[in-house]
Amino acid sequence: KAGVTQTPRYLIKTRGQQVTLSCSPISGHRSVSWYQQTPGQGLQFLFEYFSETQRNKGNFPGRFSGRQFSNSRSEMNVSTLELGDSALYLCASSSLAGVTTDTQYFGPGTRLTVL
Amino acid sequence: AQKITQTQPGMFVQEKEAVTLDCTYDTSDPSYGLFWYKQPSSGEMIFLIYQGSYDQQNATEGRYSLNFQKARKSANLVISASQLGDSAMYFCAMREAGTGNQFYFGTGTSLTVIP
Repeated sequence: KAGVTQTPRYLIKTRGQQVTLSCSPISGHRSVSWYQQTPGQGLQFLFEYFSETQRNKGNFPGRFSGRQFSNSRSEMNVSTLELGDSALYLCASSSLAGVTTDTQYFGPGTRLTVL
Repeated sequence: AQKITQTQPGMFVQEKEAVTLDCTYDTSDPSYGLFWYKQPSSGEMIFLIYQGSYDQQNATEGRYSLNFQKARKSANLVISASQLGDSAMYFCAMREAGTGNQFYFGTGTSLTVIP
C-alpha cells in the first residue's frame, strides 16, 4: 500500500506570495492532518480534515487555510507569506478521526523556504 | 502546561547497546493513546510504537518497547541493540479522547549511535 505523498517536496517563495501544498493520504484513510515544524517551535498542529470537513484547528492565523476533497486528498494554502513561514510542512493521515487508538502516518514533508 | 515532556534534548549510545528515551505526559482523561515516532534527517516521521491507556502490558515492536508507567504518567521508549541507522530525532506523542483526539507532540530527543 502506498504511503502518504506530499507535493512538492521543496519550494522557494518570496515574501507576500502565496503557496499551495498538496497531500494524498494512504488509500482508505479519510483523516488528514497538517503540521508545521520549525527548529524554534517544534511540531505545531495546523488543522485536521475528515470527510471534507475541518475537525480541529490549531492556533495559526487565517493566512493558513486548508481543504479536503471527496477523494480525501488535501491541500494547504498559505497566503501573504512571511519569513517566519519557512518550515517543514508535514501531512499525516489516519483511517478514522476522533479515535484514540488510531495511528497517524506521515508523509515526507514539503520544505518551504520564504526569502 | 505541556501535554508531552521530553527532557533529553540529546542522547548518545554505543552501537549494540540499549537506550531509554524519556517521555512524560499530562492528562486527566482516562482514555488516551501514546505514540513514538522517529524522524531521520530526511524529515519523514516514521511511526514506531503505540500504547493505549487501557493496555495492561507494555507494547513491543521488534527492537522497540514502551515502558508504560501509568501512575507516573511516563511512556519511555526503549531501543535494544542500537544500530547506526537509529540515529535520528525521536518524538513522543499523545492523543486524548477529551480534546477531539488531536495529537500532541513533545519537543523530541536527538539520538546519536556511536560505532
